[in-house]
Amino acid sequence: EDKVVQSPLSLVVHEGDTVTLNCSYEVTNFRSLLWYKQEKKAPTFLFMLTSSGIEKKSGRLSSILDKKELFSILNITATQTGDSAIYLCVGKAAGNKLTFGGGTRVLVKP
Amino acid sequence: NAGVTQTPKFQVLKTGQSMTLQCAQDMNHNSMYWYRQDPGMGLRLIYYSASEGTTDKGEVPNGYNVSRLNKREFSLRLESAAPSQTSVYFCASIDWGEGNIQYFGAGTRLSVL
Repeated sequence: EDKVVQSPLSLVVHEGDTVTLNCSYEVTNFRSLLWYKQEKKAPTFLFMLTSSGIEKKSGRLSSILDKKELFSILNITATQTGDSAIYLCVGKAAGNKLTFGGGTRVLVKP
Repeated sequence: NAGVTQTPKFQVLKTGQSMTLQCAQDMNHNSMYWYRQDPGMGLRLIYYSASEGTTDKGEVPNGYNVSRLNKREFSLRLESAAPSQTSVYFCASIDWGEGNIQYFGAGTRLSVL
């Protein structure tokens, strides 16, 4: 059975701190890994990672995939209160099956 | 362009009742998905349809059935609702390779008493 595990479950930081979120996966016929941010309602897409070792960046967020060790990290630098959310890691397999991790809840205090 | 439309937004059922959650997308996406999200937890895949005419089980399919009626519509049916199915349900669609952004519906909050 496919599995995606995120850590930590939750964390509290102060504005300006750097946050690193971890995601490990065991996905049969793995194709890519996705990160989403979920605030009040439906998740919003952040990144899709297909190749190992190539960092993707968007503003203060960046992510990288290690297909040998089967994990990915999501970094958020200079955190702001608007970064408070649940961050979801998703493994995508052949045939377009998606397996979600349980999420990491991030709270950024002013 | 409405994106992904889910109905209803809220529903209360009694144990044993049946209902169908409707989902439609107007983006001509091939793949559609149904998820449930329990309080404080991540999304879990119930069923998905990689393309029109196909459906497959996800992580938690028991107690549910789906129909990919056409390319636009993907419905989720609860034949005999149970309190354990109290959750928020999300429908989503995506066209893999076209930006790879999965579009989600607003969600259906279901309570089974």
